Amino acid sequence: SAVISQKPSRDICQRGTSLTIQCQVDSQVTMMFWYRQQPGQSLTLIATANQGSEATYESGFVIDKFPISRPNLTFSTLTVSNMSPEDSSIYLCSVGGGGLEQYFGPGTRLTVT
Amino acid sequence: DAKTTQPPSMDCAEGRAANLPCNHSTISGNEYVYWYRQIHSQGPQYIIHGLKNNETNEMASLIITEDRKSSTLILPHATLRDTAVYYCIVRVGNNFNKFYFGSGTKLNVKP
Repeated sequence: SAVISQKPSRDICQRGTSLTIQCQVDSQVTMMFWYRQQPGQSLTLIATANQGSEATYESGFVIDKFPISRPNLTFSTLTVSNMSPEDSSIYLCSVGGGGLEQYFGPGTRLTVT
Repeated sequence: DAKTTQPPSMDCAEGRAANLPCNHSTISGNEYVYWYRQIHSQGPQYIIHGLKNNETNEMASLIITEDRKSSTLILPHATLRDTAVYYCIVRVGNNFNKFYFGSGTKLNVKP
């Protein structure tokens, strides 16, 4: 299985600011995804991070709010822009492994005040 | 991808088998059944997946009915550390396809 790290592990931010979350994998992977988990809720897929091209966003998520980069096969970033308290969530990246399963990072806990 | 239905919560006594059901009546022939669990806001942990045969690994067993419309995840000897939210997901067996999470089952393992 892939080993995934995320930075930062948690942060407290003021409304109106932006935060960039990093996801690093210990091996090259084809697929990387970003999820959001609001308090007490299940995971919601934000987008697929495509290497060398623009991310593919799910319904309800837009690039201006959640810009994503994927410069290579082991790294991706998610930026949460112009934050409001409603953006307080855990943000998780996941990767498609060599088999059919996906593996998840530990998450970034974001609180917006 | 087909939707899944799971009970919102279940209790299990420590040391006993935990049997977690999942209904996926609209599953199609090329969709796999996956199980993940999430322990207290950590990243979800992969448990097991299967297509139509029963599967077993070091963590759990997966029993899929013959018509594939439902499945059961079995933790043979539940411990307190198995307390978590368990998610059943169906997905086409393709690395490019995404996982869509439902609401899951909160398993409470009690001493």
